Amino acid sequence: ETGVTQSPTHLIKTRGQQVTLRCSSQSGHNTVSWYQQALGQGPQFIFQYYREEENGRGNFPPRFSGLQFPNYSSELNVNALELDDSALYLCATTPGRGGEETQYFGPGTRLLVL
Amino acid sequence: RKEVEQDPGPFNVPEGATVAFNCTYSNSASQSFFWYRQDCRKEPKLLMSVYSSGNEDGRFTAQLNRASQYISLLIRDSKLSDSATYLCVVGHNDMRFGAGTRLTVKP
Repeated sequence: ETGVTQSPTHLIKTRGQQVTLRCSSQSGHNTVSWYQQALGQGPQFIFQYYREEENGRGNFPPRFSGLQFPNYSSELNVNALELDDSALYLCATTPGRGGEETQYFGPGTRLLVL
Repeated sequence: RKEVEQDPGPFNVPEGATVAFNCTYSNSASQSFFWYRQDCRKEPKLLMSVYSSGNEDGRFTAQLNRASQYISLLIRDSKLSDSATYLCVVGHNDMRFGAGTRLTVKP
């Protein structure tokens, strides 16, 4: 196993609500990236944090926001949930500044928006 | 055009077959290349990195052609346990994934 954990494993929300997903980094990994994976698609890059600062962002609206804490754990927050936000949310960590390094994924959080 | 495009699949092959997956990428400045494997309802896991000189890991061979912006993965002597979705991944400042190609190996 990678040592990356995510919580919760499953979540059901209704449209318009807000959600917070959590990721605990593998020991020694400074960088965390978040991905959204819709059914039948590959993971889509949301954003990346390196040492508590956002270090890159994909094509996602501002209602997707994040935090990284001093212990390198991380949160993904999504406001004003839409039906299309239903997906598997994956976090991945890397030991360095990230970007092009091997990503170590957590098991993901399955979000269903009704 | 998508940043990373893969064969749409699915591929259904008998045990022992050789199967090849293809991938193209649009960003010529990309610097790292990987194949990941994803089992049903699981997270992606690194299968192998891809180097310019090509590299092999047992039954798996990966090739990279920077001029053509093309990556391939060859699986020889397919096993039932190879059944999964194979994701082509390209890194520049972040990692971009293809949609994946699903492989089913049948007895």
